[in-house]
Amino acid sequence: SQQGEEDPQALSIQEGENATMNCSYKTSINNLQWYRQNSGRGLVHLILIRSNEREKHSGRLRVTLDTSKKSSSLLITASRAADTASYFCATELTGGGNKLTFGTGTQLKVEL
Amino acid sequence: DTGVSQNPRHKITKRGQNVTFRCDPISEHNRLYWYRQTLGQGPEFLTYFQNEAQLEKSRLLSDRFSAERPKGSFSTLEIQRTEQGDSAMYLCASSLEQSYGYTFGSGTRLTVV
Repeated sequence: SQQGEEDPQALSIQEGENATMNCSYKTSINNLQWYRQNSGRGLVHLILIRSNEREKHSGRLRVTLDTSKKSSSLLITASRAADTASYFCATELTGGGNKLTFGTGTQLKVEL
Repeated sequence: DTGVSQNPRHKITKRGQNVTFRCDPISEHNRLYWYRQTLGQGPEFLTYFQNEAQLEKSRLLSDRFSAERPKGSFSTLEIQRTEQGDSAMYLCASSLEQSYGYTFGSGTRLTVV
C-alpha cells in the first residue's frame, strides 16, 4: 500500500520558476526522503529529513517537514529543463522495519 | 565502485517460465532492498536483507517469488511460473545503515507475454 500521497500529480512550469510539491503521510515516521526518477530509470536520492528536523536545504532544494500535519514539501528553486522528472516522497515508518514506503509521485515538466 | 548494478536490464519471457534477476549493491552497504514499480506508480516494497539475513518480505509477495543474498553480497530475485501481472520494473537498492538514503540500480524491466 502507498503511505504517501504527493500533490499535485502533475506540474508544468517554465524554466526559472520555482516548483513546489507536497507529500502527506498517515503514520508516525523516523524520516522522510525525496527521490527523483527520470523516465524509465532508477531513482536518485535527493534529500533526507529526520522527524526532529523542520527544514533542510541542499543546493536548489528546500524540504520542510511538519509532523503535526503529517506533511512535507519539496521546493525546487530556479528550475531547469533538466529537472523534468517524477519526484517521490518516501517514509521510513516508526517501527516499520527500516524499509521505505513510497508515494505515488509528482510528474514535473519544466519547459524552456 | 560504480553504484548498484542490476542485470539484465530487460527481460521478455513467456507466461509460465521462471526468471531470475541479479543485483550487485555498493560493496560497503549491508542493507539491500527489492522493489517493484508499475507504470504511473511509486515503487512497492518486496523484501529486504541485512547482510545475508532476509529480514522482511511483503505480504503481497506470493510464494512464486523468492530472493536470496548469499554471503551478504549480491542478491537474486526469482519469479517462478511468471504471470502477465508480474510485468513491471524490478528495482534493487542498497543503503549503508538504517535511516540512510538508498542508492538504486537502473532496474530490470520484465515483460511477460
